[in-house]
Amino acid sequence: DAGVTQSPTHLIKTRGQQVTLRCSPKSGHDTVSWYQQALGQGPQFIFQYYEEEERQRGNFPDRFSGHQFPNYSSELNVNALLLGDSALYLCASSLVGTDYGYTFGSGTRLTVV
Amino acid sequence: SQQGEEDPQALSIQEGENATMNCSYKTSINNLQWYRQNSGRGLVHLILIRSNEREKHSGRLRVTLDTSKKSSSLLITASRAADTASYFCATAPRVTGGGNKLTFGTGTQLKVEL
Repeated sequence: DAGVTQSPTHLIKTRGQQVTLRCSPKSGHDTVSWYQQALGQGPQFIFQYYEEEERQRGNFPDRFSGHQFPNYSSELNVNALLLGDSALYLCASSLVGTDYGYTFGSGTRLTVV
Repeated sequence: SQQGEEDPQALSIQEGENATMNCSYKTSINNLQWYRQNSGRGLVHLILIRSNEREKHSGRLRVTLDTSKKSSSLLITASRAADTASYFCATAPRVTGGGNKLTFGTGTQLKVEL
């Protein structure tokens, strides 16, 4: 049973560029959440998607946007990249209405230079 | 922002010893979860304890929850070198209408030495 798959694993971008990160949730899960983890910190919630809509959003600017597709996969887009956007981006999937814990992917390491 | 703090920030023990990590949080919760992260990779779910539970066990893990003090502890018994990792607590809020975003603590770095 495949877990959460994220791509790419590593990415280097220049300030001002745009980036798209992708996530396929665990089979049977319908909710996808995105987290940003800066070095030495705990993950910070960006937003959560369910039924192709953004259901909750953390304290992140509009430069961060997302999408969920009918097959439950999701994308995270970041525009006008800043050096401070350098972080590990984690995708987590879950099944709505349950509290069995999230399944996380291995993350995408984004470096902005 | 982080929900709370974890204590200690770093812990170094010998293999076979027990490791205890503590977590404090600020708001009412539906449940509290513990995750492990190896070397900046993805998080692995370890155990979940609901707000109406006080203690839970899973293998070598024991978690306690004190909602009156807004705190939790994770005990790893008979630690192994493979337990070396960062450990995070995460809280799911008590909200209506669904939505179960997690708010993570700052983490405890555990090192288990041979």
